[in-house]
Amino acid sequence: DVKVTQSSRYLVKRTGEKVFLECVQDMDHENMFWYRQDPGLGLRLIYFSYDVKMKEKGDIPEGYSVSREKKERFSLILESASTNQTSMYLCASSSRGTVGNSPLHFGNGTRLTVT
Amino acid sequence: AQSVTQLGSHVSVSEGALVLLRCNYSSSVPPYLFWYVQYPNQGLQLLLKYTTGATLVKGINGFEAEFKKSETSFHLTKPSAHMSDAAEYFCAVRALVKAAGNKLTFGGGTRVLVKP
Repeated sequence: DVKVTQSSRYLVKRTGEKVFLECVQDMDHENMFWYRQDPGLGLRLIYFSYDVKMKEKGDIPEGYSVSREKKERFSLILESASTNQTSMYLCASSSRGTVGNSPLHFGNGTRLTVT
Repeated sequence: AQSVTQLGSHVSVSEGALVLLRCNYSSSVPPYLFWYVQYPNQGLQLLLKYTTGATLVKGINGFEAEFKKSETSFHLTKPSAHMSDAAEYFCAVRALVKAAGNKLTFGGGTRVLVKP
């Protein structure tokens, strides 16, 4: 069974801090994603990666960056946390598969509060 | 560009009653369609997906959905609600073009409350 592990379940950070959210998957998936989830807005894609050292912007990349140095690990970085980045962050992975066919496997999420 | 609209952010059903969650999408090309469920304090799990072929798709936990191209809809149903169905449900679409990669676009979610 695919396992996507997010290192922290809850995080509280101060405005201006640099924040790292870590995600590890154990199924050798090529694709990894970071979403944020807010009530009424569903999930919005921040960044994704198709391969090691490769990254592409999603729909709301402003204020975020990512790192993928190893295939199994995808990190989301908030360079200078702000209160509007308080949210639930979800990491997901998928195999390359037939184009568009492979489902996403999600971690349990990290609830980040920026004060 | 693709988008997903879920009608109703909250739905309340009685145990044993029909569950109907509505999803409409827009996509300039034939889409892949998904329903995910999120139980409290957990990530999302795949319920079912439509890719090609039969338009009525059966998923886990007794859920099914029907792809209707003419109505651009992919509504989720379950004939008889169970208390364990209380969760948030998300419809998602992925465009069937290489340029879109594997990106999913999600709807805003529908939270289901099941009354005893």
